[in-house]
Amino acid sequence: QLQLQESGPGLVKPSETLSLICTVSGDSIISSSYFWGWIRQPPEKGLEWIGSIDHSGSAYYNPSLRSRVTMSVDTSKNQFSLNLRSVTAADTGVYYCARLPQTGTGGRGNVDYWGRGALVTVSP
Amino acid sequence: DIVMTQSPDSLAVSLGERATINCRCSQSVLYSVDHRNYFAWYQQKPGQPPKPLISWASTRESGVPDRFSGSGSGTDFTLTISSLQAEDVAVYYCQQYSGAPLTFGQGTKVEIK
Repeated sequence: QLQLQESGPGLVKPSETLSLICTVSGDSIISSSYFWGWIRQPPEKGLEWIGSIDHSGSAYYNPSLRSRVTMSVDTSKNQFSLNLRSVTAADTGVYYCARLPQTGTGGRGNVDYWGRGALVTVSP
Repeated sequence: DIVMTQSPDSLAVSLGERATINCRCSQSVLYSVDHRNYFAWYQQKPGQPPKPLISWASTRESGVPDRFSGSGSGTDFTLTISSLQAEDVAVYYCQQYSGAPLTFGQGTKVEIK
């Protein structure tokens, strides 16, 4: 059974960098059939796609966040990661890592597996 | 960006009755080459991640009860719960994967009347 687990600091100061890692178990991240993505949810609000990355490291980002986001993949550890720079309070929320079957180019797909989510609060 | 608009924002339905949620896309998510709608539905309960319900507009994910069904094509889609159960109380989201960026609807909260 595939499992995804987010890890990282739960508290980040404004203007600093939010860093999260997703550890994948039960499947190899090297699979060419999937994108690996990040989706966030502010408190009491809806879902926002941050970006997706494939096993080769090709990453696709939401244009609204592109200037601040970097995603990477570590196939030796079966992990992928998210860095979000220059955070503000508006970046507070639950961050989910996810698996997306590749349905086209540009990191597109539905989500067939979600992590449990990591709450990140941006506060001094 | 493809804007996804769900209606209603919330609804209350009696146990055993039908619940219907609509989602409208600002542009078609039907891909002419394969004739597939790049559209999905998710269910989210408090404190939990979203659970995939339906992909390709009408294909139920493994283990999803058959009281959940998806329909529609192009820009207009519907999620129907044929006989609402207590465990179906949740927020439901639609999502398109036809174009980047991926976008979600704002959510519809389903409660028991």
